[in-house]
Amino acid sequence: DAKTTQPNSMESNEEEPVHLPCNHSTISGTDYIHWYRQLPSQGPEYVIHGLTSNVNNRMASLAIAEDRKSSTLILHRATLRDAAVYYCPLINAGGTSYGKLTFGQGTILTVHP
Amino acid sequence: GAVVSQHPSRVICKSGTSVKIECRSLDFQATTMFWYRQFPKQSLMLMATSNEGSKATYEQGVEKDKFLINHASLTLSTLTVTSAHPEDSSFYICSASSDDYYEQYFGPGTRLTVT
Repeated sequence: DAKTTQPNSMESNEEEPVHLPCNHSTISGTDYIHWYRQLPSQGPEYVIHGLTSNVNNRMASLAIAEDRKSSTLILHRATLRDAAVYYCPLINAGGTSYGKLTFGQGTILTVHP
Repeated sequence: GAVVSQHPSRVICKSGTSVKIECRSLDFQATTMFWYRQFPKQSLMLMATSNEGSKATYEQGVEKDKFLINHASLTLSTLTVTSAHPEDSSFYICSASSDDYYEQYFGPGTRLTVT
C-alpha cells in the first residue's frame, strides 16, 4: 500500500488561508487521493478527493502535483472549527487493495483566533 | 453526505467478557464496511474489510477469532470483541461505502474500555 507523509503539525490564524501538504511519492496510477479530518473522539469527516486534476468543493480545494507524488489541501479562510487532525489517505481503485484506506499520522492543525 | 451510525458510543466491560459493536448505514446500501482501531494520539489502523454476505478479510496481525465481524445485510455490520482484555481498550471506528469506493463514510466511533 502506498504511504503518505505529512507534517506533524501546522498553525494558522483565523480568516487566513491554510495549505496542508501531503507527500505520496509511491502512489500508483489507480490510487485516488483523499483528505479527511478528525476531531477528538469523533470519526473522520470526508473533506475532498481527486485523481489527477485539481478539485474544489464547499469545504476546500485540492491541488495535485503534475506527477501526483504530492498534493495540497487548501482551506481558503480558516475558522476555529477547522482545527482538527487532517489525513490524506489513498484509496486504491484496483487490485487486491481495492477500496482500502491507508492512514498516515496526519497533521494537527491549530487555528488561532 | 451519507450517515453512518455506531452503537454503543462508549462501553465499559470486564476483562474476559465479549462486546458487540454495531455499525449501520442509515440512508444508503453499504456493500462494503471497514473496521478501524485507533489508540490515543495515533492514526487509524484498518482491522478488516467486510462485504455483505461474505466473510471478512482481516489485516495482517488482527486475530479473526478474537474480532468477529458479521455483515449480514447491506445496512448493518457488527464487530464482536471476544474475551476482551485491557489491551483491547481503544476507539473503534467503522466506515461504509457503496459501489462507489471513492467516498467512504465514517461512523462516530465507539470507545471501548476493558477493566
